[in-house]
Amino acid sequence: EVQLVESGGGLVQPGGSLRLSCAASGFTFSSYEMYWVRQAPGKGLEWISYISSVGSPIYYADSVRGRFTISRDNVKNSLFLHMNSLRAEDTAVYFCARAKLDCSGGPCYSLVVFDSWGQGTLVTVSS
Amino acid sequence: DIQMTQSPSTLSASVGGRVTITCRASQYIIKWLAWYQQKPGKAPKLLIYETSTLENGVPSRFSGNGSGTEFTLTITSLQPDDFATYYCQQYAYLYTFGQGTKLEIK
Repeated sequence: EVQLVESGGGLVQPGGSLRLSCAASGFTFSSYEMYWVRQAPGKGLEWISYISSVGSPIYYADSVRGRFTISRDNVKNSLFLHMNSLRAEDTAVYFCARAKLDCSGGPCYSLVVFDSWGQGTLVTVSS
Repeated sequence: DIQMTQSPSTLSASVGGRVTITCRASQYIIKWLAWYQQKPGKAPKLLIYETSTLENGVPSRFSGNGSGTEFTLTITSLQPDDFATYYCQQYAYLYTFGQGTKLEIK
């Protein structure tokens, strides 16, 4: 069974830092592109970062570029999000998500939609 | 950036009924459109990708249509489990979600 389990959320002061982790199991983690998506309380979904299966390339949404860093450890089957210079507007539930892989027609390729999600971890930025 | 606009924001329907949710893109996204279902306190669930392809295990009462800039999600024979919030997502250029449509029981 595919499982993604986030951890590391909590209460942090504005300007502070936090490191989120996402432990993956039940699939070959190193074959999949991974994402972080967040959801502010009562709001919609916002994609914030992407990392390829091998760690590069990496993309960020404008709202977090320069403050957040995505990384992965394919040996430990883990995805990370290092968050610096946190702001009140970063308050949200942070989900890690896996890109769907289509292997039906020969070589596998990523469909760039999110077929598995973690349960989310809440980050609250407040003084 | 590509903006995604869903309508309506809220929708009321009865069990057994049929609903259609619309998603409009600010730019041409060909067929690169997905739909997700989210229930309170839970992660989103992928329903449809490439406009009309059902994800494994998703009931056939869900269907997607459209192309270019206008897309729809239709749910027929509504079941109690279908009452949730639905999001569209474009992936033609990076990734943008719509603001969501909450489907409520009438």
